[in-house]
Amino acid sequence: NAGVTQTPKFQVLKTGQSMTLQCAQDMNHNSMYWYRQDPGMGLRLIYYSASEGTTDKGEVPNGYNVSRLNKREFSLRLESAAPSQTSVYFCASSRDRGLSPLHFGNGTRLTVT
Amino acid sequence: GQQLNQSPQSMFIQEGEDVSMNCTSSSIFNTWLWYKQEPGEGPVLLIALYKAGELTSNGRLTAQFGITRKDSFLNISASIPSDVGIYFCAGPTSSGTDKLIFGTGTRLQVFP
Repeated sequence: NAGVTQTPKFQVLKTGQSMTLQCAQDMNHNSMYWYRQDPGMGLRLIYYSASEGTTDKGEVPNGYNVSRLNKREFSLRLESAAPSQTSVYFCASSRDRGLSPLHFGNGTRLTVT
Repeated sequence: GQQLNQSPQSMFIQEGEDVSMNCTSSSIFNTWLWYKQEPGEGPVLLIALYKAGELTSNGRLTAQFGITRKDSFLNISASIPSDVGIYFCAGPTSSGTDKLIFGTGTRLQVFP
């Protein structure tokens, strides 16, 4: 079982470039999430999708868009990358809304120069 | 907004020592979760606490839900090198259980 798979693992962008981070889960989970992790700040929720066809903003949604393509896939798009978006991005999924355990991917390390 | 503060920020200990860390908030939480993140990986859930005063163990790990509901504690007994990682507390935000707020993390280093 792969669990939660994120691609790419690493990415370097120039300011103003765009890119999409991909996430897929094979656990038939309903809810999916995107977090960013910055030193000394823990993980902060960017967007989440409680079920297929729905998305909602988290704590830090500015500069990002998401698409819940189907039950398996939840992508995160940076339309015009900024240095402040340099971070490690984690996708997660859970069986249901609420407090089902989150299963995390291994992260995408993004550097914006 | 809600914040979860963890202390200490980092710990460097000898193998075999016991470890204590805590997580505090100015807000009340109804659930406390403890996650561990190993280098290069995503966090993994260790323990979930649902009731004030609850004490729950998972092997050498024991976590407690503080009576005031504003704090939680995690203890690791007889540490081993594979305990290395960052430990995060987490809880649902006041806006609903769909969103978890994570603490700032405690980085643990264990020396043989």
